[in-house]
Amino acid sequence: EAGVVQSPRYKIIEKKQPVAFWCNPISGHNTLYWYLQNLGQGPELLIRYENEEAVDDSQLPKDRFSAERLKGVDSTLKIQPAELGDSAVYLCASSRQGRNSPLHFGNGTRLTVT
Amino acid sequence: GESVGLHLPTLSVQEGDNSIINCAYSNSASDYFIWYKQESGKGPQFIIDIRSNMDKRQGQRVTVLLNKTVKHLSLQIAATQPGDSAVYFCAEKEEAGTALIFGKGTTLSVSS
Repeated sequence: EAGVVQSPRYKIIEKKQPVAFWCNPISGHNTLYWYLQNLGQGPELLIRYENEEAVDDSQLPKDRFSAERLKGVDSTLKIQPAELGDSAVYLCASSRQGRNSPLHFGNGTRLTVT
Repeated sequence: GESVGLHLPTLSVQEGDNSIINCAYSNSASDYFIWYKQESGKGPQFIIDIRSNMDKRQGQRVTVLLNKTVKHLSLQIAATQPGDSAVYFCAEKEEAGTALIFGKGTTLSVSS
């Protein structure tokens, strides 16, 4: 099966500019996640979707970050305006619904804010 | 083979040795655990998982051990190869409807 697809792979922007990331999950996976990974650290959850509903967005900085998952398939994550501290890798993952289903990750978007 | 008692950020082994990577998890209510491998420039790749009703599970060249008494998880890699060089993360999940929480990674370096 095809894996989780993310684009772009890299993005360099100036601070205060907007940026958007896109994710296409594995076909049939109803649960979609956005994680943030800083250099040398493990991924940290930003938001989790069950189909098109955001069921856990408690860690999403809502003043500048937003996400959507229209039609319950693809998802976009947006930052507006970006800050220097947002430089990181943004990972998308998906899983089947169910108690113990492993997450499958995409290769991420590396964001550099200058 | 090389082993790590407590979590250490790096582990260096010779090709062909067995590797043991340790992880201490935080939540006694966690009931599902996963080991991921992350190579440079890539996302975490699923290796093996284990539920809390088990204490050992084996895959191809890998074994995961779970000790719930001391909240400790380990990943054993048999006959370590240069292609095993990567950062390894353990992750825990409390129950359905909660997020996967990642531990600190261990960088495994395999020299031939």
